[in-house]
Amino acid sequence: SQTIHQWPATLVQPVGSPLSLECTVEGTSNPNLYWYRQAAGRGLQLLFYSVGIGQISSEVPQNLSASRPQDRQFILSSKKLLLSDSGFYLCAWSSLDYQETQYFGPGTRLLVL
Amino acid sequence: AQSVAQPEDQVNVAEGNPLTVKCTYSVSGNPYLFWYVQYPNRGLQFLLKYITGDNLVKGSYGFEAEFNKSQTSFHLKKPSALVSDSALYFCAVRGRESGAGSYQLTFGKGTKLSVIP
Repeated sequence: SQTIHQWPATLVQPVGSPLSLECTVEGTSNPNLYWYRQAAGRGLQLLFYSVGIGQISSEVPQNLSASRPQDRQFILSSKKLLLSDSGFYLCAWSSLDYQETQYFGPGTRLLVL
Repeated sequence: AQSVAQPEDQVNVAEGNPLTVKCTYSVSGNPYLFWYVQYPNRGLQFLLKYITGDNLVKGSYGFEAEFNKSQTSFHLKKPSALVSDSALYFCAVRGRESGAGSYQLTFGKGTKLSVIP
């Protein structure tokens, strides 16, 4: 069966510091991968998605970037965090068939102080 | 552009009573529709989806949803609510267009369900 991991689970960072969040998927190959941000425990905002290694699409211009160095690894980064980057970051995967469901990881809670 | 509306920020229901969480959508063409549940500080868990076929879709934990094309709705239902059903529920839609961005889900803002003992 497929599983999706995210780490760290919780992160407290000062403003202006760098960020690296990691997401990995097991038990599948060639997945679509997604990064979402959830603010204040409510709506989800799609940040990035990837349909293959090195292929990243950005949905919202911002302080963040994403990379996919390996087939089942998706990384969310920032060079300098802003207060507004605080939130709950969720990674998700789906199969290449666009009918397929997106499955979410456990999330990373980021607090920027 | 596709969109989802969950008109109720919160729904309260007594344990044992039926529950409904409402969702309406807007999308070009026929939709793919999904329901997810989120418990505090957790990721989203998939409940059920409508792709095609029978308008009544059955999912996990006794939940079901009815697709109504004329009303562009996909309401989530359960015959008898449990206290453990208390959580945040998200409806999501994806259109059937191909090409760039076709994999994107658009989520509603969520409905907080509270089941009162």
